[in-house]
Formats: sequence, structure tokens, C-alpha cells
Amino acid sequence: GAVVSQHPSRVICKSGTSVKIECRSLDFQATTMFWYRQFPKQSLMLMATSNEGSKATYEQGVEKDKFLINHASLTLSTLTVTSAHPEDSSFYICSARGVLSNQPQHFGDGTRLSIL
Amino acid sequence: SQKIEQNSEALNIQEGKTATLTCNYTNYSPAYLQWYRQDPGRGPVFLLLIRENEKEKRKERLKVTFDTTLKQSLFHITASQPADSATYLCALPLIYNQGGKLIFGQGTELSVKP
Repeated sequence: GAVVSQHPSRVICKSGTSVKIECRSLDFQATTMFWYRQFPKQSLMLMATSNEGSKATYEQGVEKDKFLINHASLTLSTLTVTSAHPEDSSFYICSARGVLSNQPQHFGDGTRLSIL
Repeated sequence: SQKIEQNSEALNIQEGKTATLTCNYTNYSPAYLQWYRQDPGRGPVFLLLIRENEKEKRKERLKVTFDTTLKQSLFHITASQPADSATYLCALPLIYNQGGKLIFGQGTELSVKP
């Protein structure tokens, strides 16, 4: 099946640091990538959608200047949490999908972000 | 607004039995519905997609039904095994299928005891 690699799997850093998370589709061209946030025992909350070569679209309530998304190629999207604070601590998961909007999403294994 | 509800209580069953998980939705008529499996600390893994014109879909020990009248999907695992223990999520496309965005249920945690 389709493989999506997310890196790093875990980050622990001080408040005020910016953290970059990478999401790569290894064996298919990901026209669209999605970024989610998940709190313990809760469902995935969509943060933003990125399409290769265009600006990401953010869901209501998600600060675009806080969560910078770049989708420079068909296999790579990055999420940068800028000036992270303890409230940004969470599990961040990316997913990738091919051309057709009704295709399943293929998820990375998530990044556990802990801000001290 | 669209709502998805899954049984938030954990489901505990004995190995070999059939597990049945429920996904209900309101204010919407989706063209398809998806089921995912998520293990602790991992990303979800796609299992099955069922379209609105399909009543039932099977994949090995998995079976999904889609009742558009009841606005409900049932997810069955037959001959369950301890390795099936995980959280199972149902997902629907957002209304007007906004570029394939999905809305996820909160998931049902399944525990299969040997």
C-alpha cells in the first residue's frame, strides 16, 4: 500500500522554538496533503490542506502565521510550528492523497510535539 | 452542521467473536464513507471505503454496511483476534466534498481478549 513518512516522530523543545515537521509520500505523487492535530482520546482535527505549488488553506481557528505549511513538491509537505508554546504540545499527523478527491488518505505515523 | 457519532465507550469482546462498531451521522448524505484503524501513538491506517450505492463491502474478516436511510454504517470484524485491538475511526467527506477533506468520528476503542 501507499507509504507516507513523517519525521520527526517526537520532538521535545523549549518554549519559543520553531519546529519543522516533514511529511513525504514515498511511492506515489501526493497532489494533496492534509495536516491534523489530535488530542488524547479525541478524534483528528483538520488544521489545513495543502496542494502542491499553491498556498495552503487553513481551517477556521487555525492561525496561518503560527502553523506555516509548504508543499513544494508532489512528495513533500512541511509544517512549521513557529515560536511554539506549551499549548502547542500535541500529536500532529499528516496525510497524503492522490489526484481524485474520493481516494483514501494515507497517513504518516505522527509527530509527538512537547513544548517545555 | 455535519455530525458523526461513534460509540465512545470501549468495546471489549472475547477472541473469536464478532465485533460490531457503529457510526451514525446527521445533517448530511455523503457519497461515501471510510473506516480507518489507529493504534496508540500511530497514524490511522485506511481499511475500507463504501459508496452510497453499495449496501455492503467485505475485505477478508472485515465487513462494512452503509444504510443511507438510517444514516448509519456498521463495521464488523469476524473471528476477532487480540491483534485487532485498536481504535477504529469512521470518516465522511465534508459537505460539498471540499477537495476530499474528511471529518472523523471520535473513534471506538476495541479490545479483544484472548
